[in-house]
Amino acid sequence: GESVGLHLPTLSVQEGDNSIINCAYSNSASDYFIWYKQESGKGPQFIIDIRSNMDKRQGQRVTVLLNKTVKHLSLQIAATQPGDSAVYFCAENLSGGYQKVTFGTGTKLQVIP
Amino acid sequence: GAGVSQSPRYKVAKRGQDVALRCDPISGHVSLFWYQQALGQGPEFLTYFQNEAQLDKSGLPSDRFFAERPEGSVSTLKIQRTQQEDSAVYLCASSQQGAGGYTFGSGTRLTVV
Repeated sequence: GESVGLHLPTLSVQEGDNSIINCAYSNSASDYFIWYKQESGKGPQFIIDIRSNMDKRQGQRVTVLLNKTVKHLSLQIAATQPGDSAVYFCAENLSGGYQKVTFGTGTKLQVIP
Repeated sequence: GAGVSQSPRYKVAKRGQDVALRCDPISGHVSLFWYQQALGQGPEFLTYFQNEAQLDKSGLPSDRFFAERPEGSVSTLKIQRTQQEDSAVYLCASSQQGAGGYTFGSGTRLTVV
């Protein structure tokens, strides 16, 4: 079936560097995308979202880019900090009628002090 | 409360035992979701409630899984005759109608032995 996937299972970055986490999606009908951060022993935490009528959205230290042509989503974290170490999931809305989302398998971000 | 609360935090069940997992959503949140997260995987959708109505239960893996939200607030996920493959973290999330990104609880880690 259609699913959301990630290119890299683990990403190691030096503290202070920028991080880029990538995600591919397969359903061209998806119109809403979300990035979540999950720390060990906790539930996923909303980071930032983007709708399909946008190609870029910025938050505090985070930017999400959406390329609908190649069905690609990325999360950029500026000046990565040790507290950013976690698993990051992209998720897509497939139903449109309510907020059910489908999650990918995640990328583990390790920040090296 | 300020967040989504789930109990118990951990549950160990013998194979064949019935279990009940509780979710207290954020007060006033109309939408409530249950997800199942296997180790190293992204959350998988189980079921969705809008107030007390269960509008989507397409993700429930078998008829041993049952969820309810009788008064439109607290929800219970029940698993009958637990099997080892039911071992996972069960996440509950809630959101306001029409809002983006859910708020997740910390989950219940179920281990079936």
